[in-house]
Amino acid sequence: TQLLEQSPQFLSIQEGENLTVYCNSSSVFSSLQWYRQEPGEGPVLLVTVVTGGEVKKLKRLTFQFGDARKDSSLHITAAQPGDTGLYLCAGARGSGGSNYKLTFGKGTLLTVNP
Amino acid sequence: ETGVTQSPTHLIKTRGQQVTLRCSSQSGHNTVSWYQQALGQGPQFIFQYYREEENGRGNFPPRFSGLQFPNYSSELNVNALELDDSALYLCASSLTGINTEAFFGQGTRLTVV
Repeated sequence: TQLLEQSPQFLSIQEGENLTVYCNSSSVFSSLQWYRQEPGEGPVLLVTVVTGGEVKKLKRLTFQFGDARKDSSLHITAAQPGDTGLYLCAGARGSGGSNYKLTFGKGTLLTVNP
Repeated sequence: ETGVTQSPTHLIKTRGQQVTLRCSSQSGHNTVSWYQQALGQGPQFIFQYYREEENGRGNFPPRFSGLQFPNYSSELNVNALELDDSALYLCASSLTGINTEAFFGQGTRLTVV
């Protein structure tokens, strides 16, 4: 059972366009992480957001964590073909120490056409 | 490159067989987690190992088992393989802590026929 809902599931856009990917849950997470995954590879961490309302920027990528720490968004400005990939959000929960696991959404498959 | 290596990269097994997948964690990382990623899905948490003990398990049957060794490398064992076990198996290593970064290996693509 996926506790994190990502939308849209598929997105195909032209180079230079802007886009936003959403990650929603009914559960509260200690932190939320965004990953990008290329075909045949493991996910690579882009950012971790921890505080409700937090906004982080990574070049043309802007990540936001909802005030209630249940949802997040990823906004890409002026998308480039190199941004093509599967974008995954993952919520972390646990009671501290080493006891935590990541719950992933199904991902958003982004294709940026030249 | 994350420093997490998995072997083999690809594997084909027959239904009913057993398989062992291996993971070498990033230097200094004491926690290893295993995930199953079916085609078109996000990774699903199988279990986590910390200091050689299982420390959390997802919704997977007992035929999925694992080990962590003193050097923090890990194995995932799956018995009585089923067709639905075909997936990309990912290993992630991290330090102790809830918001620490998890570094993923490239995965093992298992096909059960």
